[in-house]
Amino acid sequence: SQQGEEDPQALSIQEGENATMNCSYKTSINNLQWYRQNSGRGLVHLILIRSNEREKHSGRLRVTLDTSKKSSSLLITASRAADTASYFCAGGTSYGKLTFGQGTILTVHP
Amino acid sequence: DAGVIQSPRHEVTEMGQEVTLRCKPISGHDYLFWYRQTMMRGLELLIYFNNNVPIDDSGMPEDRFSAKMPNASFSTLKIQPSEPRDSAVYFCASSSPGTGNAYEQYFGPGTRLTVT
Repeated sequence: SQQGEEDPQALSIQEGENATMNCSYKTSINNLQWYRQNSGRGLVHLILIRSNEREKHSGRLRVTLDTSKKSSSLLITASRAADTASYFCAGGTSYGKLTFGQGTILTVHP
Repeated sequence: DAGVIQSPRHEVTEMGQEVTLRCKPISGHDYLFWYRQTMMRGLELLIYFNNNVPIDDSGMPEDRFSAKMPNASFSTLKIQPSEPRDSAVYFCASSSPGTGNAYEQYFGPGTRLTVT
């Protein structure tokens, strides 16, 4: 079963704008990961933040983690049409298992 | 590395037939995962293996589903008999422990199964 809930379920923005997606989870985690899925493809790992970290950056991506609220957010800055995809958060354990959220569908209009 | 390889990419079969999906994980990865993705239920973990041993199969929907990993480079997911509600995209993923036991998973391209 899915342990995470993502908000919003769908997000539509213009190219150049920032996109923020939120994720909540229910159980204890070792790390929180974000994945991207283009239509008809497998998921691709974007970024991982450990439970003892609060913020992490990778290129145009910024992830925050608040373990007290069991929540995370993914910010994509200066979005491009090529960022159009579904984005999933996943809570990770120390023994390899991930539990994925339902995903946010991001559409970036050129 | 070629990444995770899945076959077939598409499978159309009739209800009652046996279906076998195949996966070759990335060399050196010691974890292998099978997922199912549908619009209604999202991405569900079916089963995962560590060093070829099944660790958690609680996500396998029923006895019609079985999975094996006879060696480190090959796994199968079998559905017998198949039903229309099994129609979904099935993903295989593999991983190995990174720093601090944080595992990034690498997904295959998926097998789109249609049962008529």
